[in-house]
Amino acid sequence: EDQVTQSPEALRLQEGESSSLNCSYTVSGLRGLFWYRQDPGKGPEFLFTLYSAGEEKEKERLKATLTKKESFLHITAPKPEDSATYLCAVQRKGSNYKLTFGKGTLLTVNP
Amino acid sequence: DAGVIQSPRHEVTEMGQEVTLRCKPISGHNSLFWYRQTMMRGLELLIYFNNNVPIDDSGMPEDRFSAKMPNASFSTLKIQPSEPRDSAVYFCASRLSWEGTDTQYFGPGTRLTVL
Repeated sequence: EDQVTQSPEALRLQEGESSSLNCSYTVSGLRGLFWYRQDPGKGPEFLFTLYSAGEEKEKERLKATLTKKESFLHITAPKPEDSATYLCAVQRKGSNYKLTFGKGTLLTVNP
Repeated sequence: DAGVIQSPRHEVTEMGQEVTLRCKPISGHNSLFWYRQTMMRGLELLIYFNNNVPIDDSGMPEDRFSAKMPNASFSTLKIQPSEPRDSAVYFCASRLSWEGTDTQYFGPGTRLTVL
């Protein structure tokens, strides 16, 4: 069974204080790893897809990286508007639709 | 584009009542997903439709849950009878399914409370 574990469960940062969120996964053949952002009362919003170890993707202050066992979401000089829950999900080879999600990391950035 | 539209946004009902959640996917998308999100279990896939046909309903918790997609623009998730443990946020997501893209776009969700 595919498993995704995200850590920490919650992270509180000061504005400008860079940090990383972790997503560890167990899957029998990774097809893709997905990062989503979820604001309170809203649906998850797509951020990145990573397909192979060593791949990196960036969007504004966010950079996602992937190894064979985990992914990191690096947040550089965060702003209060980056506060949200960040969800990680994996898709196994042989499936082009099923995502297994972690429980997320709640990020709070204080001004 | 209006994005995925779900209704109602909030539903409060009593145990034993029938609940129907509605979803309009993004125009042109041919895959539709229903998810349930709880604090305990996180986000779980309930059912997946492709070209209006149910492909995988292994996540539907029990026979009280049913889903339909009568056309490419509309889907429903029905719970009958509802129970307090069904209280959760239910999301609909859609995707244009073709080789090279896997991105699912989520709606705003329906928060269901069963008393």
